[in-house]
Amino acid sequence: DAGVIQSPRHEVTEMGQEVTLRCKPISGHNSLFWYRQTMMRGLELLIYFNNNVPIDDSGMPEDRFSAKMPNASFSTLKIQPSEPRDSAVYFCASSLSRVEQFFGPGTRLTVL
Amino acid sequence: AQSVTQPDIHITVSEGASLELRCNYSYGATPYLFWYVQSPGQGLQLLLKYFSGDTLVQGIKGFEAEFKRSQSSFNLRKPSVHWSDAAEYFCAVGAGYGGSQGNLIFGKGTKLSVKP
Repeated sequence: DAGVIQSPRHEVTEMGQEVTLRCKPISGHNSLFWYRQTMMRGLELLIYFNNNVPIDDSGMPEDRFSAKMPNASFSTLKIQPSEPRDSAVYFCASSLSRVEQFFGPGTRLTVL
Repeated sequence: AQSVTQPDIHITVSEGASLELRCNYSYGATPYLFWYVQSPGQGLQLLLKYFSGDTLVQGIKGFEAEFKRSQSSFNLRKPSVHWSDAAEYFCAVGAGYGGSQGNLIFGKGTKLSVKP
């Protein structure tokens, strides 16, 4: 298996622009998680889905952030408009029955 | 609320020396506990996990961890560190597995440096 796939690996954008991060979970996994990692706050859960349904989005910072999972093999995290404080590494993880989570390589986002 | 504390931000050990990374958790029920490792520029890789049973669990790369309920601890150990073990290590507790929740609560991480 290819593992969790994230794209792009690096994204540099200017403040105010829309950013879309993509994730393909491991085939057969039914839970998907989006995390953000910063030096100041460490790893934070943003949102997670179970069977394509958002279960807990309490970690989403504000309305500028949105996430979708239209099918079992694809999810997006969108930031619109982006701000410099959104600069971080964003990880996607997937799991089977919400137990052991497998992480993707992350997307390093820089907002200028 | 669930929380995980890793008291050591940065540890340096000599190659070949033993290693212990500390982790304390706060959780109201029987916890599901994990250790992950992150190499620079990489995602997190699971080292080992504890769900129930034997409190000493073995993981990959020669790591082990011991669950001590009385101390609310889940410390990670390795008898002999290799230079390739230099990385950041994260302890995590699973919140509400089997119920409606499924997220992990992570500690802030411990960065391990290895001296030749």
